[in-house]
Amino acid sequence: KNEVEQSPQNLTAQEGEFITINCSYSVGISALHWLQQHPGGGIVSLFMLSSGKKKHGRLIATINIQEKHSSLHITASHPRDSAVYICAVSGNTPLVFGKGTRLSVIA
Amino acid sequence: KAGVTQTPRYLIKTRGQQVTLSCSPISGHRSVSWYQQTPGQGLQFLFEYFSETQRNKGNFPGRFSGRQFSNSRSEMNVSTLELGDSALYLCASSPYRGLPSGYTFGSGTRLTVV
Repeated sequence: KNEVEQSPQNLTAQEGEFITINCSYSVGISALHWLQQHPGGGIVSLFMLSSGKKKHGRLIATINIQEKHSSLHITASHPRDSAVYICAVSGNTPLVFGKGTRLSVIA
Repeated sequence: KAGVTQTPRYLIKTRGQQVTLSCSPISGHRSVSWYQQTPGQGLQFLFEYFSETQRNKGNFPGRFSGRQFSNSRSEMNVSTLELGDSALYLCASSPYRGLPSGYTFGSGTRLTVV
């Protein structure tokens, strides 16, 4: 079993839809990270969470430490949000990654 | 400020050769970590350097090695290349280790072994 599990693996949405990506982890962590990777490979760090909730523009990330679960929400999705979203946790090693969620937003 | 710079961006090597990749972190960042990304395995941790010392190493064979210089720039080396080493190699820098800190990633080096 992977230490970090993401769902769904693939997601197609219509422009304007509300999107949720889930992440569960099984190890002790110091922080959880949400990353975005566009075609071409570059990775952008969206959020780092130790507790609670963070918001940046149309993106919201939440974490429940007791349940070892985090969600990334995108409100009013747009085609430019199309990318792979990766959940990662840091603790004893710098980062352990989920397999990613490939999001396609169709206009 | 300048981001994390990885060179080269693309590389084609032949089986059996060795390769060296470079990563220059954000100014002031002292921790550099390396990751391998393949379609089958996803992103996997290779190693972490802080203050010129390797602090952590992932589950990779000894053919994979690295080092960090006094200016925090880091290099990784892969010897005796195998076809399976074809991957995107990413480095990330952070200000320190031991406390939760954000990571800034480079654009990666795409290595193809033929």
